[in-house]
Amino acid sequence: NAGVTQTPKFQVLKTGQSMTLQCAQDMNHNSMYWYRQDPGMGLRLIYYSASEGTTDKGEVPNGYNVSRLNKREFSLRLESAAPSQTSVYFCASSVDGLASYNSPLHFGNGTRLTVT
Amino acid sequence: DAKTTQPPSMDCAEGRAANLPCNHSTISGNEYVYWYRQIHSQGPQYIIHGLKNNETNEMASLIITEDRKSSTLILPHATLRDTAVYYCIVRIRTGGTSYGKLTFGQGTILTVHP
Repeated sequence: NAGVTQTPKFQVLKTGQSMTLQCAQDMNHNSMYWYRQDPGMGLRLIYYSASEGTTDKGEVPNGYNVSRLNKREFSLRLESAAPSQTSVYFCASSVDGLASYNSPLHFGNGTRLTVT
Repeated sequence: DAKTTQPPSMDCAEGRAANLPCNHSTISGNEYVYWYRQIHSQGPQYIIHGLKNNETNEMASLIITEDRKSSTLILPHATLRDTAVYYCIVRIRTGGTSYGKLTFGQGTILTVHP
């Protein structure tokens, strides 16, 4: 029972390079989320997808794009990485659909990204 | 979403109950109280949630005051593996643009010592 799987676990980029963080869940959840975590800042929501085919901006969306490829997969893309994007990125999912609100988020174990 | 206030750190002896407080004085009637924890280098882990009644599961108990302005997470028999950052979060119940989102604050660092 994998839950939420994130790849890669670690990544080092040079400024200006691009990359895509992958996330997949096997729990048949409707909603998926991308957070970043920085020291002393807690977790901040980047983008979320309430259901397949929809995406919305969160608290800190600048510099990122997302794709909800299908119900299982939600990817986060950095088009031109900057040192300020050095962070730990967490993907999460929840049952929540438009008719359900009372379900916890399940998180992956994160991607540790360093931009030099 | 309502704001929460938690102490920055707490200690607990192994085998004793750990009681983690949270203030959410601006909580509204349609907001749930959620607790998560994060063990070093791992993703946050869901613990428990409630609306107004006390809740218990295999991990913990959640006590919510009658006026819902504060709550306490209880780990009945803390172990060394419970050392983590514990987050108290209020979450809007339904719909709207804030639907489904969780805002994580700074949390409480719980240290369980032998």
